[in-house]
Amino acid sequence: QLQLQESGPGLVKPSETLSLTCSVSGGSISSSSYYWGWIRQPPGKGLEWIGSVFYSGTTYCNPSLKSRVSITVDTSKSQFSLKLSSVTAADTAVYYCARHSPMLRDNWFDPWGQGTLVIVSS
Amino acid sequence: QSALTQPPSASGSPGQSVTISCTGTSSDIGGYNYVSWYQQHPGKAPKLMIYEVSKRPSGVPDRFSGSKSGNTASLTVSGLQPEDEADYYCSSYAGSNNLVFGGGTKLTVL
Repeated sequence: QLQLQESGPGLVKPSETLSLTCSVSGGSISSSSYYWGWIRQPPGKGLEWIGSVFYSGTTYCNPSLKSRVSITVDTSKSQFSLKLSSVTAADTAVYYCARHSPMLRDNWFDPWGQGTLVIVSS
Repeated sequence: QSALTQPPSASGSPGQSVTISCTGTSSDIGGYNYVSWYQQHPGKAPKLMIYEVSKRPSGVPDRFSGSKSGNTASLTVSGLQPEDEADYYCSSYAGSNNLVFGGGTKLTVL
């Protein structure tokens, strides 16, 4: 059974870089042709797609965040990572990682990690 | 402001049917058959309920169904059960390798 788990600091200072890692177990990132995605949810608000990375390293991001986002994959560790630079309070959210569909446009995420709350504050 | 528009709330009594709408444009919902729906209980991660407009993943009850007409997609929950009370989010492919979500609908089982 595929499981995903987010990890990283729960508190980040304004203007700094948010860094999170998603560890995949019960299956290998490199043995399956899927995208792997990051989605966030500000407290009390809706979901926002951040971006997704293919096992080969190809990445696509939300245009509104593209200039600040970097998503990478480490198949040897079965992990993929998110970096979001120049954060502000508006980036405070629960960050989820999830397996994304084999084709980006197919647009489904399943399963999801449990999520991790990141607060941006000095 | 979310790219896709959902009603903030919906409700129904146990056993009834309820339909949640998700309105977009010809650039997203209207242009592609790649609409998905997610269920989220409080404090939990979202769960995929419908993909490609009307397909159900394994394990999702057939009480959940999806459809699309023009720029509006819909999720129907038939035979409402108490455990269906949750937030529901729609999502659509929006072209140019971009995905968008709706603002969410809180479903209350009366």
